[in-house]
Amino acid sequence: EAGVAQSPRYKIIEKRQSVAFWCNPISGHATLYWYQQILGQGPKLLIQFQNNGVVDDSQLPKDRFSAERLKGVDSTLKIQPAKLEDSAVYLCASSPGTGEEQYFGPGTRLTVT
Amino acid sequence: AQSVAQPEDQVNVAEGNPLTVKCTYSVSGNPYLFWYVQYPNRGLQFLLKYITGDNLVKGSYGFEAEFNKSQTSFHLKKPSALVSDSALYFCAVRDYRYGQNFVFGPGTRLSVLP
Repeated sequence: EAGVAQSPRYKIIEKRQSVAFWCNPISGHATLYWYQQILGQGPKLLIQFQNNGVVDDSQLPKDRFSAERLKGVDSTLKIQPAKLEDSAVYLCASSPGTGEEQYFGPGTRLTVT
Repeated sequence: AQSVAQPEDQVNVAEGNPLTVKCTYSVSGNPYLFWYVQYPNRGLQFLLKYITGDNLVKGSYGFEAEFNKSQTSFHLKKPSALVSDSALYFCAVRDYRYGQNFVFGPGTRLSVLP
């Protein structure tokens, strides 16, 4: 079974630029999560989708972050404009349903200079 | 609000000795509890979970965890540590009620010394 795919693996941008991350979950997984993991901290949930609907985006900085999951399969997370404090690893995860164990992708390491 | 504490930033243990990585939690309702492991430059991997039932949960790679409701704890254990167990371990919790999000602890770095 193929795992969760993410791209790119690394990205370096200047502040105020925009960036987009892509995630393809495990086939058949209805729930998709985006997390932000700052160095030395645990992952922080940004947004959770159930199929193509948003279940929770309470911690998503909506003035600069957006995410979509069209057709209920793959998803993109965008930051526009980026700030220095957005430097982190962005993790995508999927699970068969809510409340179940999550399967994580390798992450995208973002550096904002 | 949900929260997770991992009181130890670092745990060192000799190979072959038992290991314990501690986790305590706070939720309003009944908890779903999880342990994940993160190896360098890799994503998090699921180890085990507690949803309901037996308080002792067995998971991957010989790990187990004990749910203690009165102490609101979910400590990760292994009877005999391996050098390859050295990694970053995260405890996570979510309230069983639909729509509640997952909260991860800050992580504990486990070093198993040969």
